[in-house]
Amino acid sequence: AQSVTQLDSQVPVFEEAPVELRCNYSSSVSVYLFWYVQYPNQGLQLLLKYLSGSTLVESINGFEAEFNKSQTSFHLRKPSVHISDTAEYFCAVSDGGGYNKLIFGAGTRLAVHP
Amino acid sequence: DVKVTQSSRYLVKRTGEKVFLECVQDMDHENMFWYRQDPGLGLRLIYFSYDVKMKEKGDIPEGYSVSREKKERFSLILESASTNQTSMYLCASRTGGRTEAFFGQGTRLTVV
Repeated sequence: AQSVTQLDSQVPVFEEAPVELRCNYSSSVSVYLFWYVQYPNQGLQLLLKYLSGSTLVESINGFEAEFNKSQTSFHLRKPSVHISDTAEYFCAVSDGGGYNKLIFGAGTRLAVHP
Repeated sequence: DVKVTQSSRYLVKRTGEKVFLECVQDMDHENMFWYRQDPGLGLRLIYFSYDVKMKEKGDIPEGYSVSREKKERFSLILESASTNQTSMYLCASRTGGRTEAFFGQGTRLTVV
């Protein structure tokens, strides 16, 4: 069965510093990968996704993630974080199987300090 | 605007009660999901449905059942609520494996 491991439960960082949130998934023939963000007291919303093609995908607010098949990773990065990026970030994987299951990691809480 | 609506934001129920959590989506999605969210554990899949009347167990189905009689509606049922089912419950829907899932606002259930 598919599984997702987010290696850091909490990441504290100062404003304008770079950040990387790590995500590894269990291997599968074909996978689709997603990062979701949950701001305080809000629902989950999609940040970015990898389906196929270029291994580097970007979001509209400056985040990017790179799909690395050999390392089964999909790490999320931002070169300079803002206070408003404080949130919980979830990595998710969907395999190409018939039932379209969507499996999430345990989440990483990003805390941006001034 | 796409919408997944959960019937309650907050619920308080007594141990042993039968509890129904309702979810409705307006996007004609085939797939619907129920997750519970607990601190440090992320989102854990309880059940999902890939078509009307079709369902599959997720990772933690014990103590739960589901019903999908119409495409737009997916219900989660706690047959006999227990205190360890106190949690945030999230409903989601999507078309296929390549598409993003859309989430409801969640139902915070407290079992006393």
